Amino acid sequence: QKEVEQNSGPLSVPEGAIASLNCTYSDRGSQSFFWYRQYSGKSPELIMSIYSNGDKEDGRFTAQLNKASQYVSLLIRDSQPSDSATYLCAVKVETSGTYKYIFGTGTRLKVLA
Amino acid sequence: DVKVTQSSRYLVKRTGEKVFLECVQDMDHENMFWYRQDPGLGLRLIYFSYDVKMKEKGDIPEGYSVSREKKERFSLILESASTNQTSMYLCASSLGGRNQPQHFGDGTRLSIL
Repeated sequence: QKEVEQNSGPLSVPEGAIASLNCTYSDRGSQSFFWYRQYSGKSPELIMSIYSNGDKEDGRFTAQLNKASQYVSLLIRDSQPSDSATYLCAVKVETSGTYKYIFGTGTRLKVLA
Repeated sequence: DVKVTQSSRYLVKRTGEKVFLECVQDMDHENMFWYRQDPGLGLRLIYFSYDVKMKEKGDIPEGYSVSREKKERFSLILESASTNQTSMYLCASSLGGRNQPQHFGDGTRLSIL
């Protein structure tokens, strides 16, 4: 069973701090990795993609990928109350000549003002 | 920007009814997906399609069918709605290729009474 695992949280951080969200995956054939933000009652919104080992930065967001450890993380610097949401980790794997996206159940982040 | 449009934001139907959920994307994406999302269970794939008139079962296809007569439109059909199909339904689309993310519609919150 291919799986993507995340701590459900809630992860509580004070405003201005760094929030660190983690995700592990089981399929070594996983090729692409995505982070989505989902506000309560809304649909997932893509915030970061990463494909190669290392760090990728976009504004206050940094995605980190370590394929050897099967680990992907998202750092949010200078966290704001508006960052309070559930963050979904998604992994794209090739299966039987097609691609599938496998989602974790998400980590709920609470940024305290 | 990618636009994925779902026909209804909220929908209330009765058990036994045939229910149609429509999804349209405007970016010429090859791939389209239907998920349902329930608290504690995350996103679960119902059906997906990689081309016109093509469909593949996801993880929970029972009680559902799909139709893709045109590239931009992917319809989810509940053949005979039941109360356990009350859920948030999310449509997504993506380009083909290894590193392409999914883009989600706003979702349809469906209640079956």
